[in-house]
Amino acid sequence: EAQVTQNPRYLITVTGKKLTVTCSQNMNHEYMSWYRQDPGLGLRQIYYSMNVEVTDKGDVPEGYKVSRKEKRNFPLILESPSPNQTSLYFCASSPNGGTGGYEQYFGPGTRLTVT
Amino acid sequence: QKEVEQDPGPLSVPEGAIVSLNCTYSNSAFQYFMWYRQYSRKGPELLMYTYSSGNKEDGRFTAQVDKSSKYISLFIRDSQPSDSATYLCAMRTRNQGGKLIFGQGTELSVKP
Repeated sequence: EAQVTQNPRYLITVTGKKLTVTCSQNMNHEYMSWYRQDPGLGLRQIYYSMNVEVTDKGDVPEGYKVSRKEKRNFPLILESPSPNQTSLYFCASSPNGGTGGYEQYFGPGTRLTVT
Repeated sequence: QKEVEQDPGPLSVPEGAIVSLNCTYSNSAFQYFMWYRQYSRKGPELLMYTYSSGNKEDGRFTAQVDKSSKYISLFIRDSQPSDSATYLCAMRTRNQGGKLIFGQGTELSVKP
């Protein structure tokens, strides 16, 4: 089954404790992206990657890191999480970010709480 | 001012009604316009997309883009309870690749 998977689905952590949210897609998509979704603010893009070893900032990159060493994986790293990073996070992938980036396939989401 | 504005609702309609969902935007460089549907506790899924101006129809759904007014719409005919979801508009420029800007979403409830 073609899909985007995220782990963990739920995470409660404390301020300053480094964490990684994994994202993997099995559709051989070049493009991958991370979003956060907050009430009243909608979906905001954190980082995106057009291909392996190519990443770029979205609208809200502060406090986050990403890497794209393999085509299928795009982990989101919070080096020192803070309470304002409490949010619902989505990973997405697309066949071609350049011309086909509108057709993004989203994962099921990761609900992160930082206390 | 946000680049994309969308009324968050909630919007409640009776089954069978015609639903109109709208977004306005400020960036005249936007060329690709999309509508995503998000069910509760799920990730968004692409519903429709249009390039530049015009209309696009897919079954009960019609997407319209008016670039002169910087205004896009999604119409749902003969709405069904299964259409109850949050609808998000999204858009991007031609040259920005995968950088999508989303509206905040409109929560729709269709009552039987």
